[in-house]
Amino acid sequence: SAVISQKPSRDICQRGTSLTIQCQVDSQVTMMFWYRQQPGQSLTLIATANQGSEATYESGFVIDKFPISRPNLTFSTLTVSNMSPEDSSIYLCSFKGTGFFEQYFGPGTRLTVT
Amino acid sequence: AQRVTQPEKLLSVFKGAPVELKCNYSYSGSPELFWYVQYSRQRLQLLLRHISRESIKGFTADLNKGETSFHLKKPFAQEEDSAMYYCALPNSGYALNFGKGTSLLVTP
Repeated sequence: SAVISQKPSRDICQRGTSLTIQCQVDSQVTMMFWYRQQPGQSLTLIATANQGSEATYESGFVIDKFPISRPNLTFSTLTVSNMSPEDSSIYLCSFKGTGFFEQYFGPGTRLTVT
Repeated sequence: AQRVTQPEKLLSVFKGAPVELKCNYSYSGSPELFWYVQYSRQRLQLLLRHISRESIKGFTADLNKGETSFHLKKPFAQEEDSAMYYCALPNSGYALNFGKGTSLLVTP
C-alpha cells in the first residue's frame, strides 16, 4: 500500500505564529483528510482535501484558522494560524485507500504552543 | 448522525485471557466499520474492516446489526496487544468518525 509521511514530526511554537504541516503520499490518491488529536482525546476531523477543489471543513474549524492546500494528487498542507496554547495537539493526515472507506494515516505532527 | 461509542476507556487483562473491546454504533443503513490500533510511539494502523471478515493478529470482529455492535475479540491476549484501539465509522463524506478509544493493557 502507499506510504504517507508528514513533516515536521514535532514542533514547539510561540503563541501568535503559524505552522505549516506537510503531508506526502508516494502514490496518487483522490481524497486526503486532516485530523486533530488533542491530548488524551480521540481523533476529530478538521477537513477533507480533494485535489482541484476547496477543502471542506467540519463544524468548528474555519479556513482562516486552518488553511489547507492540495496542489496535486500526492501532497497536501495544513497551516495552523495565529496559534494559541489550545492548538497544542497531534495533527494527522490520511488518505482514502482503494477500498470502500478505509484510510491510512501519517505518523502525525505533535505541536506544542507556548 | 453516524456515531460510535466505546464505553471502556481502559481494559486490563492478564496474558492468555480472552479480550473483548466493545464498540456500539449509531447508523441508519448498512454500516462499514473499522478497528484501528495505535501501538506506543507508532502511527495509527488499520486493524480490521468488517466487510472483509478477516482475522488479523488473532483478532476478529463481528457486526451485530440487532445490537448495533462491532466488538473486537481475541481468545488469548498477548503482551504485544497492549495498545490503544479505536472503532471507526465513515460519515457521508468518506471521512471517519472515531470512538474515544480503549486502552488495552495486557499484563504478564
